[in-house]
Amino acid sequence: QKEVEQNSGPLSVPEGAIASLNCTYSDRVSQSFFWYRQYSGKSPELIMSIYSNGDKEDGRFTAQLNKASQYVSLLIRDSQPSDSATYLCAVIASGAGSYQLTFGKGTKLSVIP
Amino acid sequence: NAGVTQTPKFQVLKTGQSMTLQCAQDMNHNSMYWYRQDPGMGLRLIYYSASEGTTDKGEVPNGYNVSRLNKREFSLRLESAAPSQTSVYFCASTASGYEQYFGPGTRLTVT
Repeated sequence: QKEVEQNSGPLSVPEGAIASLNCTYSDRVSQSFFWYRQYSGKSPELIMSIYSNGDKEDGRFTAQLNKASQYVSLLIRDSQPSDSATYLCAVIASGAGSYQLTFGKGTKLSVIP
Repeated sequence: NAGVTQTPKFQVLKTGQSMTLQCAQDMNHNSMYWYRQDPGMGLRLIYYSASEGTTDKGEVPNGYNVSRLNKREFSLRLESAAPSQTSVYFCASTASGYEQYFGPGTRLTVT
């Protein structure tokens, strides 16, 4: 059973701070990793994808991947109240020809003004 | 482009009733998916269609059927609704098989 684990939170950070969201996965052959943002009552929105070890930056967001430790994280710099949402980590295993995503249960982030 | 659209947005059913949730995408994507999201359970895959003409079971297929009507449309049918099927249902699609894009969801209550 492939598992994706996230701390459910809530994670509270002050406005302007760095928010750090973490995710671990159990399937060693996992190759593709995604972060989705979901506002309350809305659908998941893809914000980052990462496929190789290291960091990937997009604006205020940085995804970090360490396959040896089976760990992926999302950093949000200069956090804003509008970043308050639930962040979902998702993983696709290599060889899954159907490209099935396995989701974590999400971390709720609250940015305090 | 509308992206992924779903109808209806809300639905209330009585136990034993049937209904079909509709999903359409205008992005020329090959693969489409149906998920359900329940508090504390996260997103779980019900069925998927890797390409037009194919469908396969996901993690929680019992009580559901699907039809990939054409490349654009993928429907989810509840033949005899049960209270355990009260959930939010999301449709998603992908071109490359990697980055999935979600529709706005259908909030279903079964009484």
